[in-house]
Amino acid sequence: SQTIHQWPATLVQPVGSPLSLECTVEGTSNPNLYWYRQAAGRGLQLLFYSVGIGQISSEVPQNLSASRPQDRQFILSSKKLLLSDSGFYLCAWRVGTLYGYTFGSGTRLTVV
Amino acid sequence: EDQVTQSPEALRLQEGESSSLNCSYTVSGLRGLFWYRQDPGKGPEFLFTLYSAGEEKEKERLKATLTKKESFLHITAPKPEDSATYLCAVQDSSNTGKLIFGQGTTLQVKP
Repeated sequence: SQTIHQWPATLVQPVGSPLSLECTVEGTSNPNLYWYRQAAGRGLQLLFYSVGIGQISSEVPQNLSASRPQDRQFILSSKKLLLSDSGFYLCAWRVGTLYGYTFGSGTRLTVV
Repeated sequence: EDQVTQSPEALRLQEGESSSLNCSYTVSGLRGLFWYRQDPGKGPEFLFTLYSAGEEKEKERLKATLTKKESFLHITAPKPEDSATYLCAVQDSSNTGKLIFGQGTTLQVKP
């Protein structure tokens, strides 16, 4: 079956510290992968998407970066976190463009 | 510019009181409109995909409909377990499968 794993579930990090969030999918090949952020009480903002290994597109300028070292692995990183990076981060995958996303369970990041 | 607007932002219903959520969209050439349900602290869960005006889909107490400018999520005789945030999204005009989401409608159903 097709599943998506995202970890950690919650994270509290001090300002200026690095960040690495990992997302992996199972049971599918060559998925489109996406990182979204959801601020409290707001909709989902697309941060990055990838249509293949090493292919990353950034949607908004920010303090974050993404990488896709393997077909089913998508990583969100930051060298130095800001308070404004706090939020709920969601990874999603999609095989082709005809169907909806499957989302991971999310990571609640609090920068203090 | 592709855009999705949902209304109302919040909706309180009594158990059994039917209502509808609205999703208005602007996109160059609709390639799909999607509805999701999100429970607090969890990732959104896929509900429906609609592709063309006039299309309808149902799942239990939920029915989604689509016109050329908007979509409705009808909730018939809701139960407290239907309480959640409902998100609407459209696939954008590019060929990358990106979804543009609305802000969501938070539904609370009281027993």
